[in-house]
Amino acid sequence: AQSVTQLDSQVPVFEEAPVELRCNYSSSVSVYLFWYVQYPNQGLQLLLKYLSGSTLVKGINGFEAEFNKSQTSFHLRKPSVHISDTAEYFCAVSAGGTSYGKLTFGQGTILTVHP
Amino acid sequence: EAQVTQNPRYLITVTGKKLTVTCSQNMNHEYMSWYRQDPGLGLRQIYYSMNVEVTDKGDVPEGYKVSRKEKRNFPLILESPSPNQTSLYFCASSRQGNQETQYFGPGTRLLVL
Repeated sequence: AQSVTQLDSQVPVFEEAPVELRCNYSSSVSVYLFWYVQYPNQGLQLLLKYLSGSTLVKGINGFEAEFNKSQTSFHLRKPSVHISDTAEYFCAVSAGGTSYGKLTFGQGTILTVHP
Repeated sequence: EAQVTQNPRYLITVTGKKLTVTCSQNMNHEYMSWYRQDPGLGLRQIYYSMNVEVTDKGDVPEGYKVSRKEKRNFPLILESPSPNQTSLYFCASSRQGNQETQYFGPGTRLLVL
């Protein structure tokens, strides 16, 4: 079985400051990792995903994430946030084997960017 | 435009009154799934379907039914809704496989009185 823990339920930050949203996972098999963003009153949109290869993954809107296998982490970062980045962010894992694309989500982190 | 659509977007109903939330995708995806989103719990999978006439339970299937008679449609049925099914529901679809990006619908907000 796989699980995902997002270590912060809420992260307030000032505009133009850097931000890191933390995500740890557990799985007995190899995994694929995803970050999704949910803007207010909208569905989820993919920010980035790690499948294999380089452990540093770049996504849309200037976000990036680093896969750390030894620490089972996949933290999301942005060097300078904008007001428009205010949203809820979800880390998700999909395991290999016969899970057929099942996504397990973390609890979500609400990022609030203050002017 | 590639998209996943859900209807209705908002629904208020009473305990015990059967309802159906429709989901449709136009991307010819094999895999479709229903999630519910509750504060502090993230998204939890209710049911999924790997293709037409192939469905299986997710993590929280109790009180729900699904069907997959056509590739594009995956309705969620609540035969006898209860207040603990008040939630935000998302349908998602993807090509088959663990690496594939899932595309989400806009969500259906359900209130059961």
